[in-house]
Amino acid sequence: EIVLTQSPDTLSLSPGERATLSCRASQSVSSSYFAWYQQKPGQAPRLLIYGTSTRATGIPDRFSGSGSGTDFTLTISRLEPEDFAVYYCQQYAGSVRTFGQGTKLEIK
Amino acid sequence: QVQLQQSGPGLVKPSQTLSLTCAISGDSVSSNSAAWNWIRQSPSRGLEWLGKTYYRSKWFNDYAGSVKSRININPDTSKNQFSLQLNSVTPEDTAVYFCARSVAAISFDIWGQGTMVTVSS
Repeated sequence: EIVLTQSPDTLSLSPGERATLSCRASQSVSSSYFAWYQQKPGQAPRLLIYGTSTRATGIPDRFSGSGSGTDFTLTISRLEPEDFAVYYCQQYAGSVRTFGQGTKLEIK
Repeated sequence: QVQLQQSGPGLVKPSQTLSLTCAISGDSVSSNSAAWNWIRQSPSRGLEWLGKTYYRSKWFNDYAGSVKSRININPDTSKNQFSLQLNSVTPEDTAVYFCARSVAAISFDIWGQGTMVTVSS
């Protein structure tokens, strides 16, 4: 099973700043099968990015994804108030899907 | 648009069976391009994919190793829904359970609203 480790656990930033969230896989993951989700309290996760860098329908272009192999990054170029949430990475290569433990993005 | 609506009890006794249903609108459980998944979330285990059912000329299931001996995910084509059964539950199965659609190259794009299930006597 591929283990995903996200860093940092918590990121404290102000609106307007740039956020960089990282996810490291325990073994190489195909970039075609790597995704990011946003989750707000009491809600289901929402798909932001799939295939490492493709934004899901309706996702603003301030969200971008990059990476390959074992290291992947989600970047939010200019934080809006509604972006403060928990973010999860996820791989979907093979039959078993795994998630990272999450990064909480909080207002500084 | 595609929507998933979950239903089922929020309280299950230890050793009994947890049963949840996910009704699909705007897509078909028999789709040849989608899969229908169950995922749970708890403070101790985070987000954990449990398994899926999908149709590719015939029905298939994939299950996570952690629950493989206790889980069944079944489609119901007459009602366009799918269900989760998790047997012999313990308090460690207490979690929010989500159903979700996946499409091969896109992963989990549509989610149900979530159901908090507590395992307690």
